[in-house]
Amino acid sequence: GQNIDQPTEMTATEGAIVQINCTYQTSGFNGLFWYQQHAGEAPTFLSYNVLDGLEEKGRFSSFLSRSKGYSYLLLKELQMKDSASYLCAGMDSNYQLIWGAGTKLIIKP
Amino acid sequence: IAGITQAPTSQILAAGRRMTLRCTQDMRHNAMYWYRQDLGLGLRLIHYSNTAGTTGKGEVPDGYSVSRANTDDFPLTLASAVPSQTSVYFCASSARVNQPQHFGDGTRLSIL
Repeated sequence: GQNIDQPTEMTATEGAIVQINCTYQTSGFNGLFWYQQHAGEAPTFLSYNVLDGLEEKGRFSSFLSRSKGYSYLLLKELQMKDSASYLCAGMDSNYQLIWGAGTKLIIKP
Repeated sequence: IAGITQAPTSQILAAGRRMTLRCTQDMRHNAMYWYRQDLGLGLRLIHYSNTAGTTGKGEVPDGYSVSRANTDDFPLTLASAVPSQTSVYFCASSARVNQPQHFGDGTRLSIL
């Protein structure tokens, strides 16, 4: 079966660094996506990895290991506005996204 | 402003009624999707369309139908609403099937 696992909730301190992990099992693989979703709002695209390694985009970085079925999202210099849910999604061989339930990130001052 | 527009924003509906959720995009994206999002669960794909004129079933298609008569519009119809269809519904689009998906603001639907 297809499955995405990520922690339900994490807490971090403003200004710190946090790493949100995601493991995936998909039928075929066409990439790993990360989205941010603030409460009551739509998901917004953060990053896409299809090859192994680290992709950096400002304060956010995303890492992929295809051999381990593993990805993480790294958020640096945390700000209060980063409090949100972070959704991991794997794209299968039919180009359909399989979504995790999301990790709720709580930032404390 | 380019993007995806969903209507209505929210709706309360009696069980057994027919309802169509509207979705329009002006980005000329080829692919469009309908998801439902329920507390504690990931987004679940209801139906998709890889290009105008074609549609396909996702993970949870029962009780829903779609059409894709043109590039811009992708309505979702509940033929006879049931309480288990109470959810937040998101429409999304992508330029191609392997590209990032962009989401509308969602429709919050309650079936009583």
